[in-house]
Amino acid sequence: QVQLQESGPGLVKTSETLSLTCTVSGGSINNFYWSWIRQPPGKGLEWIGYISYNGNTDYNPSFKSRVTISLDTSKSHFSLKLTSVTAADTAVYFCARDSQITDAFAIWGQGTMVTVSS
Amino acid sequence: EIVMTQSPATLSVSPGERVTLSCRASQSVSNNLAWYQQKPGQAPRLLIFGASARATGIPARFSGSGSGTEFTLTISSLQSEDFAVYYCQQYNDWPPLFTFGGGTKVEIK
Repeated sequence: QVQLQESGPGLVKTSETLSLTCTVSGGSINNFYWSWIRQPPGKGLEWIGYISYNGNTDYNPSFKSRVTISLDTSKSHFSLKLTSVTAADTAVYFCARDSQITDAFAIWGQGTMVTVSS
Repeated sequence: EIVMTQSPATLSVSPGERVTLSCRASQSVSNNLAWYQQKPGQAPRLLIFGASARATGIPARFSGSGSGTEFTLTISSLQSEDFAVYYCQQYNDWPPLFTFGGGTKVEIK
């Protein structure tokens, strides 16, 4: 059974770079589309972007100038970098994956809370 | 950007009742529509994809319908474990810009 696990600092200073990693276990990272999604406290879900198994990326235009998603197949993980963060970037960050039969987000990590503060 | 609008924002229901949640897209998304359930402190769980197909392990009391811009999630007989927030999401847009509705909270009456 495929599992996703987010990791990274829980606190990031204003104007610095948020960096998170999603480790994939129980399955190959060499297929599918690997996404980052976030949820500010008490609010809804926002797709940040994805990277495909062959390294192609697409990002939400709301983040395009600040976001980079990368893939390391040798370590079975993919990563998110979000630069110049502000308090508005405080959220639970989820990694997620599609499946062989749908582009919907079939598998999710448990999420990791990131607080941006000076 | 395709805007997804869910209604109502909150629904107060009793266990055993039939529940209908609505989701509207600002433009056609064909049947590229998913529904998720989220409980406090947990990640969302995929319930429905392709507007009407149940994901693996999802009970038959959950059903989805609709196409184009109007979609519905129905829970035929609400169980205690179904009290949660439900989100719809479109994955039709290209270049990809996946968007979610604002959610409907199903709470105990």
